[in-house]
Amino acid sequence: DSGVTQTPKHLITATGQRVTLRCSPRSGDLSVYWYQQSLDQGLQFLIQYYNGEERAKGNILERFSAQQFPDLHSELNLSSLELGDSALYFCASSATGQGKETQYFGPGTRLLVL
Amino acid sequence: GEDVEQSLFLSVREGDSSVINCTYTDSSSTYLYWYKQEPGAGLQLLTYIFSNMDMKQDQRLTVLLNKKDKHLSLRIADTQTGDSAIYFCAEKGYSSASKIIFGSGTRLSIRP
Repeated sequence: DSGVTQTPKHLITATGQRVTLRCSPRSGDLSVYWYQQSLDQGLQFLIQYYNGEERAKGNILERFSAQQFPDLHSELNLSSLELGDSALYFCASSATGQGKETQYFGPGTRLLVL
Repeated sequence: GEDVEQSLFLSVREGDSSVINCTYTDSSSTYLYWYKQEPGAGLQLLTYIFSNMDMKQDQRLTVLLNKKDKHLSLRIADTQTGDSAIYFCAEKGYSSASKIIFGSGTRLSIRP
């Protein structure tokens, strides 16, 4: 158990809908990362937050947005969902977000868009 | 743009050494990582190497970095059935604002 929790575990929804994925980092970690893992795109970094502020941005679509709240939990919002958004979405956390730090990954949220 | 490449599959006999290779394109890469993903599980950081190092050893794991050729390898000695997983190579620049780029993952299977 990494100490990072993600909810829900599984999510099934329809095209055009909007969903929110939630992540709670390990106690004391200030930085949160979001990743998408799909069969065709592999594992991709989406976005990183540090203490509520956006720190780094990867291949995140404009239909997606994220935020980190004062209690350090983070939410990833996916809107106007398409079939291709079906994937496993991971959240990870680290102490301060520096490259040398270990990132601890949550178990992921499996999203299926029908 | 930045890219990280790995072969997709590797099959080794139990007890042999496994060597998983990775190449990357970003010359400013500062941290290079190896992650392990077991079926149905999240990613687990195995080890990382800083770009000014050539080698790092941690028990059965040895990481070799050839910065000139932008080549990274992970050697697993005495491979066991529990090592069956997908192994991802990843790189990150020095800045905490730099993004992490992952390879496609190498699926390691162990033959009895």
